[in-house]
Amino acid sequence: QQPVQSPQAVILREGEDAVINCSSSKALYSVHWYRQKHGEAPVFLMILLKGGEQKGHDKISASFNEKKQQSSLYLTASQLSYSGTYFCGTEENSGYSTLTFGKGTMLLVSP
Amino acid sequence: DGGITQSPKYLFRKEGQNVTLSCEQNLNHDAMYWYRQDPGQGLRLIYYSQIVNDFQKGDIAEGYSVSREKKESFPLTVTSAQKNPTAFYLCASQGGQSEAFFGQGTRLTVV
Repeated sequence: QQPVQSPQAVILREGEDAVINCSSSKALYSVHWYRQKHGEAPVFLMILLKGGEQKGHDKISASFNEKKQQSSLYLTASQLSYSGTYFCGTEENSGYSTLTFGKGTMLLVSP
Repeated sequence: DGGITQSPKYLFRKEGQNVTLSCEQNLNHDAMYWYRQDPGQGLRLIYYSQIVNDFQKGDIAEGYSVSREKKESFPLTVTSAQKNPTAFYLCASQGGQSEAFFGQGTRLTVV
């Protein structure tokens, strides 16, 4: 079952912040975040494991609330290069599990 | 260099034909996945394999078949039973609870 992402689309001006949410009806072991440019392969951003861990690099960070089965991706001081479609992928159990993706959130950063 | 390779990049299929999409990885990953991407639908799981000689159906397996005879290879056949095969197909591999690596994708068009 696909995780649910919100919002579906975001339009920002350069320098503004954005939050993308991902929620699941299942208990999660991990949440992955990827960014995809049109016609290209998704690029890995970060993975969060069960334990409520928060991660980040540069101006992109994410949190994972395992009790709520939710994760959020935080984009701070957005740059033009942040434009693309963001996907969260979830794994329900450790060990043999599948990586299931949401429908994506389209982000457009304008000058 | 380690990575995952899909071929061909573009593929055209006539009505009633079977076609096979190639996916090869040299990352020594156990898990491999096939996803289909349509506009607004995100990444939908077709088939996955956690180990050689074993694979499982994903959410949209009808009209597709796979094999996993070698750890490095996970080809996808789009059969004539798949009535709407035009889409962007992505193959991914994953080692343990870590990030998934994606190939560059194959764009399949029915002519």
